[in-house]
Amino acid sequence: KAGVTQTPRYLIKTRGQQVTLSCSPISGHRSVSWYQQTPGQGLQFLFEYFSETQRNKGNFPGRFSGRQFSNSRSEMNVSTLELGDSALYLCASSWAPRTGTSYEQYFGPGTRLTVT
Amino acid sequence: AQSVTQLDSQVPVFEEAPVELRCNYSSSVSVYLFWYVQYPNQGLQLLLKYLSGSTLVESINGFEAEFNKSQTSFHLRKPSVHISDTAEYFCAVSGSGGFKTIFGAGTRLFVKA
Repeated sequence: KAGVTQTPRYLIKTRGQQVTLSCSPISGHRSVSWYQQTPGQGLQFLFEYFSETQRNKGNFPGRFSGRQFSNSRSEMNVSTLELGDSALYLCASSWAPRTGTSYEQYFGPGTRLTVT
Repeated sequence: AQSVTQLDSQVPVFEEAPVELRCNYSSSVSVYLFWYVQYPNQGLQLLLKYLSGSTLVESINGFEAEFNKSQTSFHLRKPSVHISDTAEYFCAVSGSGGFKTIFGAGTRLFVKA
């Protein structure tokens, strides 16, 4: 099976702009989670989508949003970018039953976002 | 609520020496436990997992971890490390009933020649 893919791999944006990142999960995985990784804060959970519905959400401002499509592909959007949004954004997919149990996750290579 | 504590932020060790990376968790429900590894400029990779059954789990590259319910720990060990094991290691916990996966802060393992 192909792994989790994320596009683009690198992105440079200016403060105030918005950005959309894309994630294609492993075939058959219906759960997609997004994380922000920075040297200072470590790995922080943004949100999880399951069958097009947001199932869990982390403690990020409303500028961070996401969605999932019927083919399980997911996008996350950050509006009004701030310098502090510079980070590695990781997407992870998981086979998960509808009951909500979370099993192991498979991560993509990440999108390195730099905000100037 | 669930939480994960990795007790060491950095662990330097000489090549061929044994290593233990410590992980403690707290949870009010039955847990599933994971160790992930992240090499520079890459995403995280699953190293090993405990879902049920034998409390000692092993990876294909010589790492092992033991689920200790009474001590709420899931420490990662390797009897002899290689330079190529230099990476950041994350302990993670999830559970049934809709709990999301919680990651620890990570432990950076430096293997020196």
